[in-house]
Amino acid sequence: SQTIHQWPATLVQPVGSPLSLECTVEGTSNPNLYWYRQAAGRGLQLLFYSVGIGQISSEVPQNLSASRPQDRQFILSSKKLLLSDSGFYLCAWSVPRRSSYEQYFGPGTRLTVT
Amino acid sequence: QKEVEQNSGPLSVPEGAIASLNCTYSDRGSQSFFWYRQYSGKSPELIMFIYSNGDKEDGRFTAQLNKASQYVSLLIRDSQPSDSATYLCAVEWGKLQFGAGTQVVVTP
Repeated sequence: SQTIHQWPATLVQPVGSPLSLECTVEGTSNPNLYWYRQAAGRGLQLLFYSVGIGQISSEVPQNLSASRPQDRQFILSSKKLLLSDSGFYLCAWSVPRRSSYEQYFGPGTRLTVT
Repeated sequence: QKEVEQNSGPLSVPEGAIASLNCTYSDRGSQSFFWYRQYSGKSPELIMFIYSNGDKEDGRFTAQLNKASQYVSLLIRDSQPSDSATYLCAVEWGKLQFGAGTQVVVTP
């Protein structure tokens, strides 16, 4: 069966500091991978998605970036965090051979920027 | 702008009753519809998906889709306290667009 890991689970960072969140998927090959952010009391906002190694599509202009160095690894980064970057960051995967929109989420990283 | 609308709740449901959640969407071109359950502090969990008009049943959950009226609903039969969560509706428009969710509270 497939599993998805995210770390760290929680993170408190000062404004202006860098960020690196990691997501890995096990039990599947060539998944579609997604980064979402959920602000408090709000819906999920798609930040980035990737259909393969080195292929990144950005949905929202911001100070975040994403990379996919390996087939089942997805990284979310920032050089300088803003207060508005606080939120619940979720990685998700989907199986390309079925509906690309049937997505499964990892446990998430709760980021607080102070 | 394409939108997915849900009543934020909270929807209070007595234990054993049916919880009825509604979701409307703005674009007729959508083909795939999803319901996620999110417990407080946890990540969303996919519980139902529906692609065709009509009803789809899975255990105590029933998803209903009406593309002509642009709504999708979720029924939870025999509601249990463990069903207390926020339920997110998601609609596919080349990507998943999520509603803000409906909070359900099942009272013993």
